[in-house]
Amino acid sequence: QKEVEQDPGPLSVPEGAIVSLNCTYSNSAFQYFMWYRQYSRKGPELLMYTYSSGNKEDGRFTAQVDKSSKYISLFIRDSQPSDSATYLCAMSEPRTGANSKLTFGKGITLSVRP
Amino acid sequence: NAGVTQTPKFRVLKTGQSMTLLCAQDMNHEYMYWYRQDPGMGLRLIHYSVGEGTTAKGEVPDGYNVSRLKKQNFLLGLESAAPSQTSVYFCASRMSGDRKAFFGQGTRLTVV
Repeated sequence: QKEVEQDPGPLSVPEGAIVSLNCTYSNSAFQYFMWYRQYSRKGPELLMYTYSSGNKEDGRFTAQVDKSSKYISLFIRDSQPSDSATYLCAMSEPRTGANSKLTFGKGITLSVRP
Repeated sequence: NAGVTQTPKFRVLKTGQSMTLLCAQDMNHEYMYWYRQDPGMGLRLIHYSVGEGTTAKGEVPDGYNVSRLKKQNFLLGLESAAPSQTSVYFCASRMSGDRKAFFGQGTRLTVV
């Protein structure tokens, strides 16, 4: 079993739809959870960052972490064509130094149709 | 504020040729990483460094070497390129006490 699993997609939605993107993980030591957005032919950019369980909201984006289920989600409200991109989840243990690597999901490509 | 800069952006190599990819960051980050991204495979860690003069192997290190002689630079070398190394390579960096990583724009490498 991969440490981080992400629905492969692709996902296509109409403009204005609510989008739910999800990742599951197996490593209970993960404490830091991130969502990166990657536009075509660009590098990933950090979109949301959360520590441990709970929700975090930033504009139209909400990140949700359920550690008991080992499940994280990214919700996009009122989706826009400019949200069309690949979304990658990433996770990290609290260890510092050489063992504090990020583990990424494979990413899901979202297309928002005008 | 340049952030993380990768050089070159594109390159075509013949099998057996060598090359070096350069990553430079101006954020004084301690940690630097090299990833490759392939369709359906996601981001896979090649090598990483937790400080000047130190490097470590990641998930897929074979065929690559790295060096970090200066804190701001992290070099990825391919001694004898193979078609299996055709990929998009990303460099990333972050502070030691922070999990937020910043990525470069990528290098598209094709080995023919």
